[in-house]
Amino acid sequence: DTGVSQNPRHKITKRGQNVTFRCDPISEHNRLYWYRQTLGQGPEFLTYFQNEAQLEKSRLLSDRFSAERPKGSFSTLEIQRTEQGDSAMYLCASSSGTLTNYGYTFGSGTRLTVV
Amino acid sequence: RKEVEQDPGPFNVPEGATVAFNCTYSNSASQSFFWYRQDCRKEPKLLMSVYSSGNEDGRFTAQLNRASQYISLLIRDSKLSDSATYLCVVISNQFYFGTGTSLTVIP
Repeated sequence: DTGVSQNPRHKITKRGQNVTFRCDPISEHNRLYWYRQTLGQGPEFLTYFQNEAQLEKSRLLSDRFSAERPKGSFSTLEIQRTEQGDSAMYLCASSSGTLTNYGYTFGSGTRLTVV
Repeated sequence: RKEVEQDPGPFNVPEGATVAFNCTYSNSASQSFFWYRQDCRKEPKLLMSVYSSGNEDGRFTAQLNRASQYISLLIRDSKLSDSATYLCVVISNQFYFGTGTSLTVIP
């Protein structure tokens, strides 16, 4: 296991199209997080899963965004009807144990450009 | 008010200099604190945890001041390879990232 894997690395899409990103966490990690990062900003929390349960969603996650983790392993993040403001780096992270004891391990991210 | 406030810099320092970054947080119930490093167009990577007693890892020293609600990172004897953005992270019910402080170490 080489860490958290995200695909694709880059995605360019036309406004209005739907896109889907995939994240494969470190295999023994039961927690999975999605973040979004725009230029000059720190990562902003979108949502998190413990196993297959989606336990928290940010208000940033509009109804055009949906995330799933059907079997408690990989996760997908879908954006419907993309807008130019969705252009960002989408980061996935995973962890095990409690947040207070362990930092996240991030994937390399998916850079989305909406044209 | 943001959960975490961080001076974005940029900090431009010569090799060998000592540089310090601070980060303030708003939630006094915050439980844990970290510093992450992010290189340009790469993902953030954990640099070090921050403990109440302060902790050191080679040239890096992290400190926490709960009374004033800030954390700091000190880098001694800066190297060119230290050039990056440094993100502070505060955990209350989830991870909150600062905006990052940009550091460039100049030859």
